[in-house]
Amino acid sequence: QVQLVESGGGVVQPGRSLRLSCAASGFTLSTYAMNWVRQAPGKGLQWVAVVSYDGSDKFHADSVKGRFTISRDNVKNTLYLQMNSLRTEDTAIYYCARALTRRITISAFDVWGRGTMVTVSS
Amino acid sequence: EIVLTQSPATLSLSPGERATLSCRASQSVDSQLAWYQQKPGQAPRLLIHDASNRATGIPPRFSGSGSGTDFTLTISSLQPEDIATYYCQKYNNARALTFGGGTKVEI
Repeated sequence: QVQLVESGGGVVQPGRSLRLSCAASGFTLSTYAMNWVRQAPGKGLQWVAVVSYDGSDKFHADSVKGRFTISRDNVKNTLYLQMNSLRTEDTAIYYCARALTRRITISAFDVWGRGTMVTVSS
Repeated sequence: EIVLTQSPATLSLSPGERATLSCRASQSVDSQLAWYQQKPGQAPRLLIHDASNRATGIPPRFSGSGSGTDFTLTISSLQPEDIATYYCQKYNNARALTFGGGTKVEI
């Protein structure tokens, strides 16, 4: 079935780096834009970044611009989020999510992973 | 930057009652608005896209309406399994796929 599975979360000190992965199965990743969304403990949803289906366009939220980079490997059916210069306020569950409409970057998110927890603490 | 404001923050109703959730945008987002349901400990689930289109498998008691700046999610007859937090999201601009602050529905 259609599934997204995140990995790579953990506890990291402020200023350090972490790379998250999102493995896709049950569908052709290369035809869908993909997103990262995060949720701090007890808080609401915050969109983090989007990458177009072919990787040619990438957009990041202002709060992570210059520190986080979204990327994808359509051969490996995997989405990534490289997180550098981590701050305590980046502590959250990070979800990957698929765009609803094939080949359209601007779209609702119809498939979500279960998330991976990132804790930034000294 | 367009801001989405959801109201009320919390909605307390009885089973069978009608729930009306509001999402207001600070500028027009046309019909590029979605609604999600999130239960505790779970990932969000897409309910409505393009303001009024139910996602696959969503029961007909959920409906969405509105365009421009004012949107509504209606649950026609609240069921115990509908206890959750509901978020709206705009997607008219790939540089800011913003979520609203959420409405928590209680019974």
